[in-house]
Amino acid sequence: GAVVSQHPSRVICKSGTSVKIECRSLDFQATTMFWYRQFPKQSLMLMATSNEGSKATYEQGVEKDKFLINHASLTLSTLTVTSAHPEDSSFYICSARVGGFPYYEQYFGPGTRLTVT
Amino acid sequence: GENVEQHPSTLSVQEGDSAVIKCTYSDSASNYFPWYKQELGKGPQLIIDIRSNVGEKKDQRIAVTLNKTAKHFSLHITETQPEDSAVYFCAASALSGGYNKLIFGAGTRLAVHP
Repeated sequence: GAVVSQHPSRVICKSGTSVKIECRSLDFQATTMFWYRQFPKQSLMLMATSNEGSKATYEQGVEKDKFLINHASLTLSTLTVTSAHPEDSSFYICSARVGGFPYYEQYFGPGTRLTVT
Repeated sequence: GENVEQHPSTLSVQEGDSAVIKCTYSDSASNYFPWYKQELGKGPQLIIDIRSNVGEKKDQRIAVTLNKTAKHFSLHITETQPEDSAVYFCAASALSGGYNKLIFGAGTRLAVHP
């Protein structure tokens, strides 16, 4: 299967600072990437859909000014959590789509554990 | 919009037994149904998927069945091993706001006891 990497795997930051998480597709080009958030023992919550070269589409209830997404190339998408607060602490996971509709597959990165103190 | 329900939420089996996880979906237009395995502290791993033009798919000890009429699909794991212990998520494709995305079930925590 396709490989998706994320960096960093774990980050601790102080309240009020910003954190950037990188997501890369290592062996394929991804025109569409997704960012999810996952709370302990819960399912995956889609935050936004990112298409290369265009603005991200955010899910209802997700603050686009707080969670900045940039999909600058076919292999890289970034999520920046701006002015982080303790309630932003969570497990953030990116995902990349391989192939075209309807014969696509979706692969996930290893996740980033964000802790805001 | 699409809704995916997954049962059971927890499943405990003895090593060597079979495990079955079931999901139902609401959108008849859904045409792609992947299954993911997530181990603690890691991202979900795609283990098998099925498309709406197929009724069953098998990969070694793992199989998935799809009943389009009833709008449900199931994951079957045979000869379970302790390393199969993880959380399993089903998903169904959905078209929303012009974008195709996956809707996930709530997850099933599988424990395989030696």
